[in-house]
Amino acid sequence: SQTIHQWPATLVQPVGSPLSLECTVEGTSNPNLYWYRQAAGRGLQLLFYSVGIGQISSEVPQNLSASRPQDRQFILSSKKLLLSDSGFYLCAWTGQGTGELFFGEGSRLTVL
Amino acid sequence: GNSVTQMEGPVTLSEEAFLTINCTYTATGYPSLFWYVQYPGEGLQLLLKATKADDKGSNKGFEATYRKETTSFHLEKGSVQVSDSAVYFCALKDNQGGKLIFGQGTELSVKP
Repeated sequence: SQTIHQWPATLVQPVGSPLSLECTVEGTSNPNLYWYRQAAGRGLQLLFYSVGIGQISSEVPQNLSASRPQDRQFILSSKKLLLSDSGFYLCAWTGQGTGELFFGEGSRLTVL
Repeated sequence: GNSVTQMEGPVTLSEEAFLTINCTYTATGYPSLFWYVQYPGEGLQLLLKATKADDKGSNKGFEATYRKETTSFHLEKGSVQVSDSAVYFCALKDNQGGKLIFGQGTELSVKP
């Protein structure tokens, strides 16, 4: 069966520090991968999605970047965090041609 | 572009009350439509879906019918339970790239 994991689950970082959130998928190949952010009291905002290794589409201009170094690995990064980067980050995947998204457990980032 | 609009929350109901959460969409073509649920402290999980006009998705007592004439996909449940307390997200599948576009989420709180 397919599984998705992301880590760390909780992170508290000072303003200006770097960030790396990692997401891996097991049990499937060539998934579409997504990073969403859920800010407090707001909906889900799509940040990045990837349809293959090295292929990244950015949905909104921001302080973050994403990379896909391997087929089932998706990394969300920042060189210098801002206060506004605080939120709940969710990684997700879909199979090719399907609509259902499978979400990871989420990573809660607090920037102080 | 494609978009999803949900009724604003929070929605507070007593146990066994009838629930409706409105969702309307704007899209070209014939998107697939979804409802996701997020229980406290967790990631999102698929609740139900419909892939074409007049389809009815159902799960755990929840139902939603794909209404193309009104571009709607309202979520209903005849008798809610305390355990249904969660945030509910309506979403559509963008046929370009397969990414899901989410509404802003509606928080449901069910009181005993």
